[in-house]
Amino acid sequence: QSVLTQPPSASGTPGQRVTISCSGSSSNIGSNTVNWYQQLPGTAPKLLIYSNNQRPSGVPDRFSGSKSGSSASLAISGLQSEDEADYYCAAWDDSLNGHVVFGGGTKLTVL
Amino acid sequence: QLQLQESGPGLVKPSETLSLTCAVSGGSIISSSYYWGWIRKPPGKGLEWIGTIYYSGSTYYNPSLKSRLTVSVDTSKNQFSLNLNSVTAADTAVYYCARRVARSGSQFDHWGQGTQVTVSS
Repeated sequence: QSVLTQPPSASGTPGQRVTISCSGSSSNIGSNTVNWYQQLPGTAPKLLIYSNNQRPSGVPDRFSGSKSGSSASLAISGLQSEDEADYYCAAWDDSLNGHVVFGGGTKLTVL
Repeated sequence: QLQLQESGPGLVKPSETLSLTCAVSGGSIISSSYYWGWIRKPPGKGLEWIGTIYYSGSTYYNPSLKSRLTVSVDTSKNQFSLNLNSVTAADTAVYYCARRVARSGSQFDHWGQGTQVTVSS
């Protein structure tokens, strides 16, 4: 069981908007920033969103992040076939002397 | 361009020690702006953080792995390493090394390609 809770799957058709949720607690998302990672099949994870809602250079503005309280969300608008991947949220957790926690991952299928 | 490259045995016997090294090129491991970490992905499961180290040698470990884990850094070789002892089949995974931004505990902005490690006799 992951400390951060994500839906195991999500889907949408090309052009649609989809959102992926990430639920945590006061010791992680509630008190630290959230980062999102995209893992395409057979590749290493890639930083997609950092500091809750910032996009690294090169990430399309179709991807956006938000955080409220102890939950966060990743939104993908104008869905494209190449967005089919696994998505993970992550945060620092202040408990147990501090450690990184990941969500269980959400597999996004583009129908 | 920063590159990270994992290396080490792809097959480890149960109860033995898993040892991996991450070579950093295109940038110095000695930086106040970054930490260096290990993350793994077991088959059919999600990402799991293993541990993180600063160039000075300060470490942060996953509480569930702490008793078996050592992460070290060799600044002269610009690399850092992972040793996980008493391995079982549950330690079978793709292991990634990554650079972590200092100001954010979970922001890994550069990743190695990953290396498959299988624990089996």
